Order: sequence, then C-alpha cells, then structure tokens
Amino acid sequence: AQTVTQSQPEMSVQEAETVTLSCTYDTSESDYYLFWYKQPPSRQMILVIRQEAYKQQNATENRFSVNFQKAAKSFSLKISDSQLGDAAMYFCAYRSEGGSEKLVFGKGMKLTVNP
Amino acid sequence: DAGVIQSPRHEVTEMGQEVTLRCKPISGHDYLFWYRQTMMRGLELLIYFNNNVPIDDSGMPEDRFSAKMPNASFSTLKIQPSEPRDSAVYFCASTIKTSNEQFFGPGTRLTVL
Repeated sequence: AQTVTQSQPEMSVQEAETVTLSCTYDTSESDYYLFWYKQPPSRQMILVIRQEAYKQQNATENRFSVNFQKAAKSFSLKISDSQLGDAAMYFCAYRSEGGSEKLVFGKGMKLTVNP
Repeated sequence: DAGVIQSPRHEVTEMGQEVTLRCKPISGHDYLFWYRQTMMRGLELLIYFNNNVPIDDSGMPEDRFSAKMPNASFSTLKIQPSEPRDSAVYFCASTIKTSNEQFFGPGTRLTVL
C-alpha cells in the first residue's frame, strides 16, 4: 500500500519570504500522480499543484513550484513571496495511475505566515 | 457550476442516533468519493463510486457505516447508530476520468455527543 509522509507538522514563514514544505512517499508503482492541497480555516480543500510522475519537469503554478525527485520519492512544495493568504494546512497526496482512483494523503502541515 | 454540494454543513447529534450526510457531485462527473478527516487519522478514503457503483469500500469503518449512490447526481453516507468516535469532518469529492483533479465539497462537520 502507498503511504505519504509529511514529517514537519508546523512551519512558519515571514511574509514575502520563501518556504519549502517537504513530503516523501512510498510506492512500488512507476506511474502515479502527486498533489499538494491547501486547506484554509474555511476547511475547503483546494488543489494547489499536481505532478505527473512520468514528467521530469517540475510543475509550477505562479508562486508555487515543486521539486519532484522520483528516485528519492520526494515531492516538496516551494512557496515564493509568501502572502498572508497562504496560511493554511497543506496536504501532500498520492494517486495511482491505472489503479485505484483514491487519494492517499499525508497528515498535513500547518503553515503560519507572519506579517 | 456550483461545485460539489454537501449537506448539512454541520450536524450535532446524540450517540445512538442515525445520521445521514448528503452529496451532490459536479454534473458530468462519474467518480464520487467520501473522505473522513480526523485529528488522529488525518484524511482517509471511506468509499468511492464509479458510475454509481461502489468500487472500493475498504475504508468504511464497520457495519454502522453505509453509502449509496442511487443516481449520478446524489449520494448519501449513513451512520447508524452513531458513536462519539464518529465525530469528524466528512468530505465528498467528485471527478471525471479525464481529469486528474478531485473537486471537494465544503465538508460536513459531524459532532456526536
């Protein structure tokens, strides 16, 4: 079974600074998808960014980018120019390609942005 | 589109009562998922449907939980009888095969006293 680990339960960053959230996963599959979801206090789950495992190029979405290291099974999220609105819980998630459609989530990490 | 709709948003009930959570997926989506979020266990899948058929219910805790999808636009998750340990936020999500994104509803916060 696949597992996702987020080892840092909490982090903080100063507004306008850069922060990196770490995630590792375990799988025996070669094709899969990885995601970062954001959950603000409203508890709405919002997709931040996704990465297909077959793509070597790291995904980017505006201020958000990932560092995908397939061999190391590592998938970190970098937030540049942090904003107060980035404060939230962040969840790393895994989904098989061609197998189960379910998302397997890490335990999450609480990001605080200090003004 | 209105997105995934869940009702109620909050539910407070007493132990032993029946609880029914409802979900309307995004129109045209053929996959529907029920997830549960707790402090101890995080976010975990309970069950998911494809074309109204349950595909994976291995996450359903026990016989007290049941889920149905009578048609493409409606699903229910029922707990009978409810217990305090069922207190959690329950999310419904939907997607379509050609998409890699699951769209989540706002969740139902369930409190069982």
